[in-house]
Amino acid sequence: SQKIEQNSEALNIQEGKTATLTCNYTNYSPAYLQWYRQDPGRGPVFLLLIRENEKEKRKERLKVTFDTTLKQSLFHITASQPADSATYLCALYSGGYQKVTFGTGTKLQVIP
Amino acid sequence: GAVVSQHPSWVICKSGTSVKIECRSLDFQATTMFWYRQFPKQSLMLMATSNEGSKATYEQGVEKDKFLINHASLTLSTLTVTSAHPEDSSFYICSANREGNQPQHFGDGTRLSIL
Repeated sequence: SQKIEQNSEALNIQEGKTATLTCNYTNYSPAYLQWYRQDPGRGPVFLLLIRENEKEKRKERLKVTFDTTLKQSLFHITASQPADSATYLCALYSGGYQKVTFGTGTKLQVIP
Repeated sequence: GAVVSQHPSWVICKSGTSVKIECRSLDFQATTMFWYRQFPKQSLMLMATSNEGSKATYEQGVEKDKFLINHASLTLSTLTVTSAHPEDSSFYICSANREGNQPQHFGDGTRLSIL
């Protein structure tokens, strides 16, 4: 069966360090992969999208890699700040009728 | 950026009541909107895909007579939870995108509590 796993339920990191979150998937052939940020009691906010033929994407302090051989995406936040504390969700889109499937999320806590 | 507005943000009502949740795309036309349900510490579970001018497509296990979806215009989709019971209590979130391969823009969710 199809499965999306994000490496850990929670991740604590010291301010200023690089946070690395992992998204692994099985039995998918995603056309692209997305990362979202969700704050408590709010809807997710789109951060980055990476397509199957792209290896890496950057946006300010954010970087996403996509390895279709390993079936894995890594999400990096450099120079992390307490304001980066949130739950981060990866999501896969396989094409077809536009359905996107979300992982369970990783709750990141950046400690001052 | 694109904005999706969801209303109400919080509802508390008695068991047996029907509750309507609205989802509006404020600055773009959305032919497709999505309705999700999220339990605490869990991910978003897609309930249905709402298509303007046609019937919604429901995910397996979601009762279409329980969760009525209407997508009457390119900027508005509604989800009605009919005869709600305590087990329907959850966080309901809608989203929309301009085209099928574009990122989704989410509303801020509706916290539904059935007493």
